[in-house]
Amino acid sequence: RKEVEQDPGPFNVPEGATVAFNCTYSNSASQSFFWYRQDCRKEPKLLMSVYSSGNEDGRFTAQLNRASQYISLLIRDSKLSDSATYLCVVTYSGGYQKVTFGIGTKLQVIP
Amino acid sequence: DTGVSQDPRHKITKRGQNVTFRCDPISEHNRLYWYRQTLGQGPEFLTYFQNEAQLEKSRLLSDRFSAERPKGSFSTLEIQRTEQGDSAMYLCASSLGQGLFMNTEAFFGQGTRLTVV
Repeated sequence: RKEVEQDPGPFNVPEGATVAFNCTYSNSASQSFFWYRQDCRKEPKLLMSVYSSGNEDGRFTAQLNRASQYISLLIRDSKLSDSATYLCVVTYSGGYQKVTFGIGTKLQVIP
Repeated sequence: DTGVSQDPRHKITKRGQNVTFRCDPISEHNRLYWYRQTLGQGPEFLTYFQNEAQLEKSRLLSDRFSAERPKGSFSTLEIQRTEQGDSAMYLCASSLGQGLFMNTEAFFGQGTRLTVV
């Protein structure tokens, strides 16, 4: 089983739609969670951290479910500019910080 | 520019040649990571430095790969006797860690795209 698993998609959604992605992780000792955004042929950039209580940043909401070992990203009122690949990132600190990426979920917002 | 910089941005090499990439992290960052990314995949972890110490090396990193961070600042990744399967984007990232439980963001460079022909 992969350490971090994501549905690669693509998710094709119309502008204005709400879309949600999940990401599961296998190491129950994982400590920090992030969503990164990667545009085509560009480097990944941090979208948002994921906190235990859940957090929201504008149209984006991230949730963490430690019991079921998954995190989610909800995007409301999708914009064309949201089209990108969304990478789930999980870190584990066992003497050093190991940062593991999921394969990424590709989102295409359609006019 | 105070972000992570990588050099070169693109490299085309013939199979069997050696290549070396450089990464300059954000100056105060003590943690440095190398990842490899192929088309349609997420970044795959290669190796990790805390200051000048290489603390982890992925099984993906064969004996042909070596990484250094001699003074805890910039890092180099060398690939010897390149193979076509080495063609990928090589990403460097850095972060500031001050303990085991630091929830810190990793900042990425723009990557070095390697093509082995």
